[in-house]
Amino acid sequence: EVHLVESGGAVVQPGGSLRLSCAASGFTFPDYGMQWVRQVPGKGLEWVSLISWDGGSTYYADSVKGRFTVSRDNSKNSVYLQMNSLRAEDTALYYCVKDRGGSSSILDYWGQGTLVIVSS
Amino acid sequence: DIQMTQSPSSLSASVGDRVTITCRASQSIGTFLNWYQQKPGKAPKLLIYAALSLESGVPSRFSGSGSGTDFTLTISSLQPEDFATYYCQQSYSSPLTFGGGTMVEIK
Repeated sequence: EVHLVESGGAVVQPGGSLRLSCAASGFTFPDYGMQWVRQVPGKGLEWVSLISWDGGSTYYADSVKGRFTVSRDNSKNSVYLQMNSLRAEDTALYYCVKDRGGSSSILDYWGQGTLVIVSS
Repeated sequence: DIQMTQSPSSLSASVGDRVTITCRASQSIGTFLNWYQQKPGKAPKLLIYAALSLESGVPSRFSGSGSGTDFTLTISSLQPEDFATYYCQQSYSSPLTFGGGTMVEIK
């Protein structure tokens, strides 16, 4: 059974940094692209970032480009989101999501999310 | 960026009703369209991928159709566990984009 467990969410001041982690199990992690999607509580879904199976390709939403960095460690079955220069509008629940196949961008398994609050 | 527009934003329906939700893309996306269900306090769950393919384990009362710019999610006979918010998402090009969601409520 696929499990994705996010961690690292916290309350952080504007301008601060945070590193989210996602531990994956139940599938052959190195074979799949991974994504981050966020959701302001009570609002819709916003795609944040994609990393390819080998980490060789990464993509970002314009709203986070230059501030967030996605990475992965296939030896640890983990994906990470380094978040710098945080803004109030980054406040959201951050989901770690598995691709259906390769980097098809069909999001077939989601973690339960980790909450990031950017506030002074 | 491709804009995804869902309608309606909410609807009220009764158990047993046939429910249809539409999703329109701002440009043609072929069949690169996926549907998700989200219940309160839970993560989204994949229902339909590639416009019309039913995800494993999803009840057959759910179906998807459409191509190009216009897509539909249909629930043939609404069940109590189907009351949730539904999102469409295009996987045609980056950035991935989602519709604004359709909340299905109990009448």
